[in-house]
Amino acid sequence: NAGVTQTPKFQVLKTGQSMTLQCAQDMNHEYMSWYRQDPGMGLRLIHYSVGAGITDQGEVPNGYNVSRSTTEDFPLRLLSAAPSQTSVYFCASSYTRPGTGVTEAFFGQGTRLTVV
Amino acid sequence: AQSVTQLGSHVSVSEGALVLLRCNYSSSVPPYLFWYVQYPNQGLQLLLKYTSAATLVKGINGFEAEFKKSETSFHLTKPSAHMSDAAEYFCAVSRGGGFKTIFGAGTRLFVKA
Repeated sequence: NAGVTQTPKFQVLKTGQSMTLQCAQDMNHEYMSWYRQDPGMGLRLIHYSVGAGITDQGEVPNGYNVSRSTTEDFPLRLLSAAPSQTSVYFCASSYTRPGTGVTEAFFGQGTRLTVV
Repeated sequence: AQSVTQLGSHVSVSEGALVLLRCNYSSSVPPYLFWYVQYPNQGLQLLLKYTSAATLVKGINGFEAEFKKSETSFHLTKPSAHMSDAAEYFCAVSRGGGFKTIFGAGTRLFVKA
């Protein structure tokens, strides 16, 4: 199992450009989510998905779009990049252990994005 | 609403000394609590989790955490720090049955030789 795979690992964008961050998981998890990590702020939830075809907004959704056409893939799109979106982005795949209600998240290695 | 507060953005200990990373939570329902570790340029890795089965939780790499409801705390400890423990540590809370996990701001642990 590869777990959660994010591409690219690094990206530099110019203000106004658009791009898609890719995330794929091979654990057949229903839940997937995108976080951004900024110094001193921990991880903040951008968007999440509870299954193919179902997505919703997290804490900081503005400027980002997502879609979930398959269980495996959950791409994050930046519509018009801004310097405030310079961050490290993590994709996570989660499952809830049956009978316990406990959800455990597995993280990708991150995408470091710089917007100039 | 749930929240997590990690006390101290940086903690420095000597190799072999006790590690104590503090986490306090706020939750209107019994929480599920987690500690994650992040090594440089890596994603987050689950260290341990509290699921109400036992208040003292043992994790990987010799870490453990104790859930104290009266203090709304879930502090992370390790009796003897090792150089390889240098990393950033995140406390997190969820309500369970879902995937919305709220993270603290993180505490960076430095280990001095």
